Amino acid sequence: DQQVKQNSPSLSVQEGRISILNCDYTNSMFDYFLWYKKYPAEGPTFLISISSIKDKNEDGRFTVFLNKSAKHLSLHIVPSQPGDSAVYFCAASVEGDDMRFGAGTRLTVKP
Amino acid sequence: EADIYQTPRYLVIGTGKKITLECSQTMGHDKMYWYQQDPGMELHLIHYSYGVNSTEKGDLSSESTVSRIRTEHFPLTLESARPSHTSQYLCASSPVLGELFFGEGSRLTVL
Repeated sequence: DQQVKQNSPSLSVQEGRISILNCDYTNSMFDYFLWYKKYPAEGPTFLISISSIKDKNEDGRFTVFLNKSAKHLSLHIVPSQPGDSAVYFCAASVEGDDMRFGAGTRLTVKP
Repeated sequence: EADIYQTPRYLVIGTGKKITLECSQTMGHDKMYWYQQDPGMELHLIHYSYGVNSTEKGDLSSESTVSRIRTEHFPLTLESARPSHTSQYLCASSPVLGELFFGEGSRLTVL
């Protein structure tokens, strides 16, 4: 039972343009959502999070949007840079426990 | 900066061997986790611990075992490795409420 879904396995964008990564979830009890970035042969690193009391959180070039009614989460990267090329995982949890991950989206930013 | 370490990073062993994957963190986190991840797939929780002498199985059935004798140390053991155990194993820790900090992973290949 996959409670967090990332339906796009890959995304390719041009440097300087916006990257939009999407994530859907099924468990309405999730109240804390995170994005992780993973380079090959490394562990995931935390990127940005949002709690269910907010609908937007911004950190530099990264913005996460939460639409609770649609059970949808998205990560915007503006402007995209070649160094952003990595696999991005969406994760969700209930009060920080039982964190569930999506299958990841491989982002490629072309120079 | 996260201080969580996994050894070995890469391991190739024969079927039937016993192996232990080590994980240590210096952040004093009570919560620790083991995830298993195959390429293009979500991270699956196989074991977690909320503190010393606490261990629980995660969603994904696993023939591995874990122990938590010290806060900083959470090793994972496979008594008899099989080719189906070939995967990447990711250790993580977290404060009571917050994001997970991951180690760099241990990639296991069982021949």
